[in-house]
Amino acid sequence: NAGVTQTPKFQVLKTGQSMTLQCAQDMNHEYMSWYRQDPGMGLRLIHYSVGAGITDQGEVPNGYNVSRSTTEDFPLRLLSAAPSQTSVYFCASSYGREISQPQHFGDGTRLSIL
Amino acid sequence: GQQLNQSPQSMFIQEGEDVSMNCTSSSIFNTWLWYKQEPGEGPVLLIALYKAGELTSNGRLTAQFGITRKDSFLNISASIPSDVGIYFCAGRFNGNQFYFGTGTSLTVIP
Repeated sequence: NAGVTQTPKFQVLKTGQSMTLQCAQDMNHEYMSWYRQDPGMGLRLIHYSVGAGITDQGEVPNGYNVSRSTTEDFPLRLLSAAPSQTSVYFCASSYGREISQPQHFGDGTRLSIL
Repeated sequence: GQQLNQSPQSMFIQEGEDVSMNCTSSSIFNTWLWYKQEPGEGPVLLIALYKAGELTSNGRLTAQFGITRKDSFLNISASIPSDVGIYFCAGRFNGNQFYFGTGTSLTVIP
């Protein structure tokens, strides 16, 4: 099993550009989430989904959109990239619709906004 | 959001030594998790704790869910070079969000 797969691994954008970070899991997990990791701040939740067609905001949702059309995929969209969005982004998934189960993380996407 | 404080921020230890780190919260939690992250990779779950006072081991790692439900502890016995990494705690009360600590960076000197 691949687990949680994130693409791309690295990306450089110019301010104002848009892009989509991809996340796919093959474990049939209902719960999926996106975090950003910044130095000295741990991981902060951006958006999460408890199943196909259902999404909700986390701690730092501004500037990001998500959708969940299938159980497997949970893409994160930056509509107009800003330097403050330079970060490492992690996608995670867990079994069930509630986050009672520990999450499995992907290897991250390192994003730089110039 | 919830504030989780991890200490120490970093540790430099000799191979073979024991390691202790902790995580404290401003709020009570129902679940505590401990993760390890190595460079260029995502966090990997080490131990999950679901009850106050619970003590759980995973090989040389032992974690405890504090009685007050506002803290958790992770111990590593007889450290080895592959223990190097950043250790994160995460906690949850109710709802669909875990809150993460800022991490403890561990360096093991052979």
